Amino acid sequence: GNSVTQMEGPVTLSEEAFLTINCTYTATGYPSLFWYVQYPGEGLQLLLKATKADDKGSNKGFEATYRKETTSFHLEKGSVQVSDSAVYFCALSDLDSSYKLIFGSGTRLLVRP
Amino acid sequence: DAGITQSPRHKVTETGTPVTLRCHQTENHRYMYWYRQDPGHGLRLIHYSYGVKDTDKGEVSDGYSVSRSKTEDFLLTLESATSSQTSVYFCAISETTGEATGQFFGPGTRLTVL
Repeated sequence: GNSVTQMEGPVTLSEEAFLTINCTYTATGYPSLFWYVQYPGEGLQLLLKATKADDKGSNKGFEATYRKETTSFHLEKGSVQVSDSAVYFCALSDLDSSYKLIFGSGTRLLVRP
Repeated sequence: DAGITQSPRHKVTETGTPVTLRCHQTENHRYMYWYRQDPGHGLRLIHYSYGVKDTDKGEVSDGYSVSRSKTEDFLLTLESATSSQTSVYFCAISETTGEATGQFFGPGTRLTVL
């Protein structure tokens, strides 16, 4: 079945460091891909998305490119801030059930001043 | 931000008692979802609705039921709560099936079953 695998956290970085959070997926067809962010005590917020191969989603300095050849959607940011500390979830739309999102287990990011 | 509220935000209950969680939206979106979030599992879909009175099961639906009598409200009921249902519950909405737009989440309800 369809699935999403994320790198385990926590990821600890110093402020202004470069961020990569890896996400790979297994799916039939061409699902849409998403990154969500969850700040402490809050719900998930949609961070960015890509709906077809080679699309690049971007928002708030974060980017991710839909790579079908490597079935990946890695999240990157050139210079992280303390305020980026959160849990990040990669997700895909399940084409077998068009109502469903399949989530990875989440990666906690901690940015130190 | 999407207009989604959940109530209650926190609840502690005892094993065997019934519990109902409410999700309310002001966006008039057709699709609504209930997820649970547990450490190491990300979010898992419990039930979803694709219209008033139209609902279906997700991957972890055992022990849960839902109802949607109005577009704006989606209720999740635990008929007889168990400790394994201790979790954080999130409601989500989407205007379409969500593959292009994603889903938008409420603030969550933390449920503890003693």
